[in-house]
Order: sequence, then structure tokens, then C-alpha cells
Amino acid sequence: AQTVTQSQPEMSVQEAETVTLSCTYDTSESDYYLFWYKQPPSRQMILVIRQEAYKQQNATENRFSVNFQKAAKSFSLKISDSQLGDAAMYFCAYRKAGTASKLTFGTGTRLQVTL
Amino acid sequence: GAVVSQHPSWVICKSGTSVKIECRSLDFQATTMFWYRQFPKQSLMLMATSNEGSKATYEQGVEKDKFLINHASLTLSTLTVTSAHPEDSSFYICSAEGTPKNNEQFFGPGTRLTVL
Repeated sequence: AQTVTQSQPEMSVQEAETVTLSCTYDTSESDYYLFWYKQPPSRQMILVIRQEAYKQQNATENRFSVNFQKAAKSFSLKISDSQLGDAAMYFCAYRKAGTASKLTFGTGTRLQVTL
Repeated sequence: GAVVSQHPSWVICKSGTSVKIECRSLDFQATTMFWYRQFPKQSLMLMATSNEGSKATYEQGVEKDKFLINHASLTLSTLTVTSAHPEDSSFYICSAEGTPKNNEQFFGPGTRLTVL
């Protein structure tokens, strides 16, 4: 079975600084997707960034980038120039390739952004 | 991105009653919908996967007779919590996947259920 591990229950970053959230996963599949979702206090799940396992290049979306290490099964999220609006729960998730494949979520990391 | 709605956004009911939660895809055809449950300060746990026109597939440990899922059309899935009890109080989230955006799930805003 696939598992996703987030070892940092809470993280804190100062506004404008950079923070990295960690995620490791376990799978025997060769083709899969990895995601980072943000859940603000409204509890609406928001997709932050997505990585296809077959792509060697790390995904980037504006201030958000990932460090995808396939051999190590590691998928960390870097948030640059942190903003107050980045404060939220962040969930790492995995799904194997193919339609209607279910998502497996990590336990989440609560990010605080301080002035 | 695609839009998924849920109704109601919150509901309070008495113990022993049944509650229905709707999940709608507003601008795409949702061939598959997923139902999650999230307890306070915890992650999302998948309850079941439903494909339009067929029976839902439930995760291990989820009582299919208690959590009835219907996916009768390409835009609507419903979750009915039957004979609800206080321990069923939780945040229920649906997500949908389909045409034209396959391999991506779009999440509804969630429904907070409180059973008294």
C-alpha cells in the first residue's frame, strides 16, 4: 500500500522568508503523481503544485517549487517570499497514474507566517 | 479550474436521523467522485469512490450501509449518513474527476456535520 509521510506537524516562517516542507512517500509504482494541497481556515482544498513522476524537472508555480527526488522518494515544497496568506495546513498527496485513481494524503503540516 | 459545489455547507441533526449531502460538478462531467472525511486537526481519509451509474467502492472499515453513496448522473453524487450518531460528526469533503480534465481531482468546499 502507498503511504505518505509528513514529519513536520508545524512549521513557522517569517514574512518574506523561505520555508521548506518535507514529504516522503512509499510506492512500488513507477508512474504516479505527487501533489501539494493547501487547506486554509475555510477548509477548501487548494491545489498548490503537481509533479508527474516521469518528469525529471521539478515543478514550479510562482513562489512555490518542489524538490522531487524519485530515488529517495522525497517530495519537498519550497515557499519563497512567504506571505501572510500562505498560513494554512499543507498536505502532501500521492496518486498512481490512471483515471479515477485515489489520492493518499499525508498527515499535514501547519504553516504559520509571522511578521 | 473546474468548480465543485457541496450542499449544505453545514448541518446539525438529531441522533438517529439521516442526513443527505450533495456534491455537484458545475462545469464538467464528473465520471468519478470521491468522498472524504476529515476530523479536526487530521488529514483527509477517503471513504469511498463512486463512478457514475455504478455502485460505490468503499474503503476498508467504512460501513456501506451507514454511508450510502449514489452517483446517478455525471454532475451529482450524494452521500447519505443513515441513523447518524454523535461520532459521525465530522467534516465531509467530496472531489470530482472527469471530462475534460482527467487525472485531476477538484474539491468541493466541504460540509460540516454535527450530530446532537
